[in-house]
Amino acid sequence: TQLLEQSPQFLSIQEGENLTVYCNSSSVFSSLQWYRQEPGEGPVLLVTVVTGGEVKKLKRLTFQFGDARKDSSLHITAAQPGDTGLYLCAGAGDMRFGAGTRLTVKP
Amino acid sequence: DVKVTQSSRYLVKRTGEKVFLECVQDMDHENMFWYRQDPGLGLRLIYFSYDVKMKEKGDIPEGYSVSREKKERFSLILESASTNQTSMYLCASRGAGSINYEQYFGPGTRLTVT
Repeated sequence: TQLLEQSPQFLSIQEGENLTVYCNSSSVFSSLQWYRQEPGEGPVLLVTVVTGGEVKKLKRLTFQFGDARKDSSLHITAAQPGDTGLYLCAGAGDMRFGAGTRLTVKP
Repeated sequence: DVKVTQSSRYLVKRTGEKVFLECVQDMDHENMFWYRQDPGLGLRLIYFSYDVKMKEKGDIPEGYSVSREKKERFSLILESASTNQTSMYLCASRGAGSINYEQYFGPGTRLTVT
């Protein structure tokens, strides 16, 4: 089983701040995914990163896949209350998820 | 619009009861999954299915069984519910030809066993 560790577990910030959350593993992944889960809903896919060193942008969200394909980061610029949720990383096709980072953005 | 539905959003059952959680997807997906989600533990895979009548154990299958008689429906069964099965249960589906392995999730069933 390939384990994914996410940090921090909890993050509470003010609107407008920047933040970075991390997903780390000792195993190599062919690709990694990031999902966001809002309260009362199931997770929704944000992005899949495939190539080591790859950077993908989704509006104010920037995703990076480590060169060695063992880790990934999610950076949010100028966070908004609508970004509040649980951010999960997963090995694409692996069906295993990290425990998630619970982000709260206060207005 | 793709959709995965789960039979109940909230369910309360007594210890020892047999519990059925139903999941239906309308995307003609081959793959379906059952997870449980607990604080600090994330999503843990219980069972998955690649095709009708086919099932594979995930990481925590003990105390659970599944049934997939039709392509669109995947049922999770708790043969004799116990308090440690109190959890959020999430169903997901994925197409066999999915390029990015995107899973589509239902809204979840919060099960409480008393």
